[in-house]
Amino acid sequence: DGGITQSPKYLFRKEGQNVTLSCEQNLNHDAMYWYRQDPGQGLRLIYYSQIVNDFQKGDIAEGYSVSREKKESFPLTVTSAQKNPTAFYLCASSRQGAYEQYFGPGTRLTVT
Amino acid sequence: LAKTTQPISMDSYEGQEVNITCSHNNIATNDYITWYQQFPSQGPRFIIQGYKTKVTNEVASLFIPADRKSSTLSLPRVSLSDTAVYYCLVGDLYNQGGKLIFGQGTELSVKP
Repeated sequence: DGGITQSPKYLFRKEGQNVTLSCEQNLNHDAMYWYRQDPGQGLRLIYYSQIVNDFQKGDIAEGYSVSREKKESFPLTVTSAQKNPTAFYLCASSRQGAYEQYFGPGTRLTVT
Repeated sequence: LAKTTQPISMDSYEGQEVNITCSHNNIATNDYITWYQQFPSQGPRFIIQGYKTKVTNEVASLFIPADRKSSTLSLPRVSLSDTAVYYCLVGDLYNQGGKLIFGQGTELSVKP
């Protein structure tokens, strides 16, 4: 089955710790994205990557970092600099220039 | 990037046709209109996309008037499983690096 996997589904961390969220796709898509969703809100773009070894900041990149060393993988690190990290994190991928993005199941991060 | 406005919530009953209208007064010439559906605690799912006139697929229809300043997503004969949040997005994905801008969406509640 082709698709996007995110792990883990739920993640709990103490304040001040960095945490890395995994995102893997086997759709052979060039572009990958990270979004954040807060309760009752739409999605906001954190980072996106259109090609391996290249990525751009989205609207709310502060406190986050990414890497794109392989086409299939786009991990997101939530650093201790992110002031309000508790949220639902969604990873997506798409073909270049396509309007259809395929989303993973999400990771719900809780920081206390 | 074009801003979109859609109703916060709508109610319907099983078997009815539901029309959700989205306003996008400053849509640009190269912008396409895309709709996504999101169930709670899941990633959004692409429903339909269009540029002008009418587009239909197995799930929904999208009506776009000649001035393209609005669009209407039509869901025929909804069922309880159509209860979800529906997002209208407008943009030129190819030239904006794949960035999708999600608003608050319309929360559709289908009652028996």
